[in-house]
Amino acid sequence: ETGVTQTPRHLVMGMTNKKSLKCEQHLGHNAMYWYKQSAKKPLELMFVYNFKEQTENNSVPSRFSPECPNSSHLFLHLHTLQPEDSALYLCASSPDGIGGNTIYFGEGSWLTVV
Amino acid sequence: TQLLEQSPQFLSIQEGENLTVYCNSSSVFSSLQWYRQEPGEGPVLLVTVVTGGEVKKLKRLTFQFGDARKDSSLHITAAQPGDTGLYLCAGARNSNYQLIWGAGTKLIIKP
Repeated sequence: ETGVTQTPRHLVMGMTNKKSLKCEQHLGHNAMYWYKQSAKKPLELMFVYNFKEQTENNSVPSRFSPECPNSSHLFLHLHTLQPEDSALYLCASSPDGIGGNTIYFGEGSWLTVV
Repeated sequence: TQLLEQSPQFLSIQEGENLTVYCNSSSVFSSLQWYRQEPGEGPVLLVTVVTGGEVKKLKRLTFQFGDARKDSSLHITAAQPGDTGLYLCAGARNSNYQLIWGAGTKLIIKP
């Protein structure tokens, strides 16, 4: 139990579907992250929120839309995804958005796009 | 683009053997972190090294940060099946930039 909870753990969606991934952290942290993990590739940072404000968007396609209503919750809204978007999506938090902080990860949401 | 290269990509050894995995870069980092990710879980921090030449020990795991702070190694003594997992290194350039991640070393320890 890392204090970061992700739902759903597994999601299969068609390319025309709209779905959302949810993340909640119980650590009192102020920064939250979405990462994409694909086999044999480095973790890809997608979005960073610090005190609910988006501070980083690493050229992520618009079919991925993040939402951070407060410092404890983070969503990733998905629409018209492509098969190459199939991956493990990891939510994480840290005390603040300063580089070098320890990152606390959730267990991940396995996404399969068919 | 800064890269952190991890080697080997995959390692499968028998229980009781020793092993070393490496994390190398041409760039200098202010600190470097090692994480372990077990199947079905997210990565969990093992250690952070900050000073060039620093050595940290965590039971049978020994972590070293290179003198020039460009590389790091993880040595496991008498590996156990519970050490199985994906080992990730991540470097911090400074407080203004997010972590740079390696692709990981997948380690399997056979009983």
